[in-house]
Amino acid sequence: GQNIDQPTEMTATEGAIVQINCTYQTSGFNGLFWYQQHAGEAPTFLSYNVLDGLEEKGRFSSFLSRSKGYSYLLLKELQMKDSASYLCAVRGADYKLSFGAGTTVTVRA
Amino acid sequence: DGGITQSPKYLFRKEGQNVTLSCEQNLNHDAMYWYRQDPGQGLRLIYYSQIVNDFQKGDIAEGYSVSREKKESFPLTVTSAQKNPTAFYLCASSIDLGGRASDTQYFGPGTRLTVL
Repeated sequence: GQNIDQPTEMTATEGAIVQINCTYQTSGFNGLFWYQQHAGEAPTFLSYNVLDGLEEKGRFSSFLSRSKGYSYLLLKELQMKDSASYLCAVRGADYKLSFGAGTTVTVRA
Repeated sequence: DGGITQSPKYLFRKEGQNVTLSCEQNLNHDAMYWYRQDPGQGLRLIYYSQIVNDFQKGDIAEGYSVSREKKESFPLTVTSAQKNPTAFYLCASSIDLGGRASDTQYFGPGTRLTVL
């Protein structure tokens, strides 16, 4: 089976940095995705990691360690619009995605 | 503009009625998916299709049915056999069901189904 864990909630101040951790235990591994989802809307793709290391994309970065079954999403220079749920998803051996429950980030002024 | 559309955004039905949720994409993607999202839980896969006229059960297929008669369309029927149908339903598509970066799934806006 698939087991993906991420914190339920995080709060940070506008302009600060927040790191959302994701740990996983899955049957096979073919990549890890991060999505952003605002309340009542569709998840939108943020990042993809398949090799160990850091992928940077503007204010967002994602890190992967396959040996540790661990990833994090780093959000820098937080803005109010970054208040959303962040979903960690792992693509397993069957190429299907398994999702964590999501981390709700609240950005305060 | 290319994208995935789902309609309607909100849907209300009486208990015991079947209801069909639509999903259309013009991205020329081969693979399409249906997920269910409940509060406090991750997205769960209901059905997926890799190609026209073929589809596979996901993790929670009981009480649901699908068809894939056209590449662009993947409707989901929630039947009366589904015990807890009230949920947010998301459709997604990808170029293929594979391990490449380009096989990223993209989501439609979702349909919130409430069964009264």
